[in-house]
Amino acid sequence: AQSVTQPDIHITVSEGASLELRCNYSYGATPYLFWYVQSPGQGLQLLLKYFSGDTLVQGIKGFEAEFKRSQSSFNLRKPSVHWSDAAEYFCAVGEGYSSASKIIFGSGTRLSIRP
Amino acid sequence: GAVVSQHPSRVICKSGTSVKIECRSLDFQATTMFWYRQFPKKSLMLMATSNEGSKATYEQGVEKDKFLINHASLTLSTLTVTSAHPEDSSFYICSRIGPSYNEQFFGPGTRLTVL
Repeated sequence: AQSVTQPDIHITVSEGASLELRCNYSYGATPYLFWYVQSPGQGLQLLLKYFSGDTLVQGIKGFEAEFKRSQSSFNLRKPSVHWSDAAEYFCAVGEGYSSASKIIFGSGTRLSIRP
Repeated sequence: GAVVSQHPSRVICKSGTSVKIECRSLDFQATTMFWYRQFPKKSLMLMATSNEGSKATYEQGVEKDKFLINHASLTLSTLTVTSAHPEDSSFYICSRIGPSYNEQFFGPGTRLTVL
């Protein structure tokens, strides 16, 4: 069965520093991979997604992620974080590409920003 | 703007009562919608897939008689928590797939507190 692992429960970085959030997946076929962000009181927002093609994916808010099949990883990066990036981040894997495709979420990584 | 709405955003009820949560697709007729449950500081757990005009598909371990799902129209799915107990207190989130099937759009969530 497919699964997603986010090994870091909580990360604190200084404002302006670079960020990398780790994500490993387990899926038998070509995965559809996502990163979502959840801010307090707000719904989940899609940061970026990978289906095929270029393994380096650019997203919104200056985020990017790199798909590495050999490592079963899809780590999220940002070169310089802002205080407004403090939130919960979820990596997810999609089962397929249809109207009924499920998404399985990782356990999330809470990002705190140090002033 | 938001493409999925949920109502209510917050509800408090007494133990033993039933609570209905609505999920509306605002801009797209969704034959399939999803219901998730999120515990504090935890990931989103898929509860069920809501299918318009037919029975919902529940994930393993989710009580179908406890969590009744109705998807009577292409824009509305409802989740009814029957005979609620304090352990049902949680954050419930719905979603629908976008028209191109490559993304899920999430509602803002409903915070249920059972006293």
